[in-house]
Amino acid sequence: GENVEQHPSTLSVQEGDSAVIKCTYSDSASNYFPWYKQELGKGPQLIIDIRSNVGEKKDQRIAVTLNKTAKHFSLHITETQPEDSAVYFCAASMGTARQLTFGSGTQLTVLP
Amino acid sequence: SQTIHQWPATLVQPVGSPLSLECTVEGTSNPNLYWYRQAAGRGLQLLFYSVGIGQISSEVPQNLSASRPQDRQFILSSKKLLLSDSGFYLCAWSVTGANTEAFFGQGTRLTVV
Repeated sequence: GENVEQHPSTLSVQEGDSAVIKCTYSDSASNYFPWYKQELGKGPQLIIDIRSNVGEKKDQRIAVTLNKTAKHFSLHITETQPEDSAVYFCAASMGTARQLTFGSGTQLTVLP
Repeated sequence: SQTIHQWPATLVQPVGSPLSLECTVEGTSNPNLYWYRQAAGRGLQLLFYSVGIGQISSEVPQNLSASRPQDRQFILSSKKLLLSDSGFYLCAWSVTGANTEAFFGQGTRLTVV
């Protein structure tokens, strides 16, 4: 089955700096790659996603890039703010009913 | 619009007691439904998923079971809780047959004492 690895497990940045989180996946059949943000004590919420026919997608300060050949994708957050502090999860899906395989998460801390 | 409800939000149960967590989805039909467990505030482990009423797939052998008695209702159960069952349990749904996002409930914090 699919295996998703996520790095780093923790990331601290100064407010205003950029943050990058990277994920790799194992199954070349995966074609959907969402990113979730989870605040303390809450369920994860989708922040951005990308499909295999696209190499990059941007939404304001958040962008995701996908390299299907290398089987890795990354989340980029620019101009970080304290409210960006949370745990971020990447995931991969082949579109089966089982749907998503998640990475292990990254605790992002934005220091004021 | 679609909404997902999960309750209770927190639960403290003694070892050996039964468990029932309920999840319902509104505003959609025939969703895929999922139960995840999250230990130590990190990785999401898929426990069960369901593509229809009475259809349950188990990902990991557990002291837990799941049932889907109605189209938009998903229940996580245990006959006898173990200390190791403590964790944050999340219900989620997604659209059937499409490669789309999963929508999560707010979770249940279960502490087995």
